[in-house]
Amino acid sequence: EVQLVESGGGLVKPGGSLRLSCDASHFTFSAYDMNWVRQAPGKGLEWVSSISKFGTYIYYADSVKGRFTISRDNAKNSLFLQMNSLRADDTAVYYCAREFYYGPGSYAFDSWGRGTQVTVSS
Amino acid sequence: SSEVTQDPAVSVALGQTVRITCQGDNLRRYFASWYQQKARQGPVLVMFGGDNRPSGIPDRFSGSSSENTASLTITGAQAEDEADYFCMSRDSDGNRLVFGGGTKVTVL
Repeated sequence: EVQLVESGGGLVKPGGSLRLSCDASHFTFSAYDMNWVRQAPGKGLEWVSSISKFGTYIYYADSVKGRFTISRDNAKNSLFLQMNSLRADDTAVYYCAREFYYGPGSYAFDSWGRGTQVTVSS
Repeated sequence: SSEVTQDPAVSVALGQTVRITCQGDNLRRYFASWYQQKARQGPVLVMFGGDNRPSGIPDRFSGSSSENTASLTITGAQAEDEADYFCMSRDSDGNRLVFGGGTKVTVL
């Protein structure tokens, strides 16, 4: 069974930094694009960033561009999110999600981790 | 960037049928996928590519797509279907992903 396990969340002061990790297992990690998605308290899902199989293509939501950096290590089956200049509105549960492409115009996040809580507060 | 919009909430009587919709111009080009999120749990994929159910999703869930609208239908809703449902699609430039605001489904 596909497994995605996030870690690295915690409490950080505004302006601070955190590095999230997502450890993948039971599938060929390098065969999939990967994503980070977050959910603020009581709010909906927000796509944060994506990275292609070998890191060639990287995209960010406008809300995090210039502050967050996504990366991956296929040798270690790991996905990362470096978060700098954190703000109160970055407070959320952060999920990593595997992206599955199954035909023209068809994409889905077919596996999700349980998430890691990031709280930005003074 | 393009958006996809959903009705915030809908209710359905036990055993009846409910349809949730997702609208956006980018849905003319890209299929939506649908995610179920129960209280205090992570999202689960329930529909993709218009009308494809992942393994393990009950066949009371079905999907469709037309023009700028994607739909998720629950036929014979059960108590365990009470959850938030989110649609997702690619943005108009095809590089980013975008979620709808979610629809809270209450089973009465």
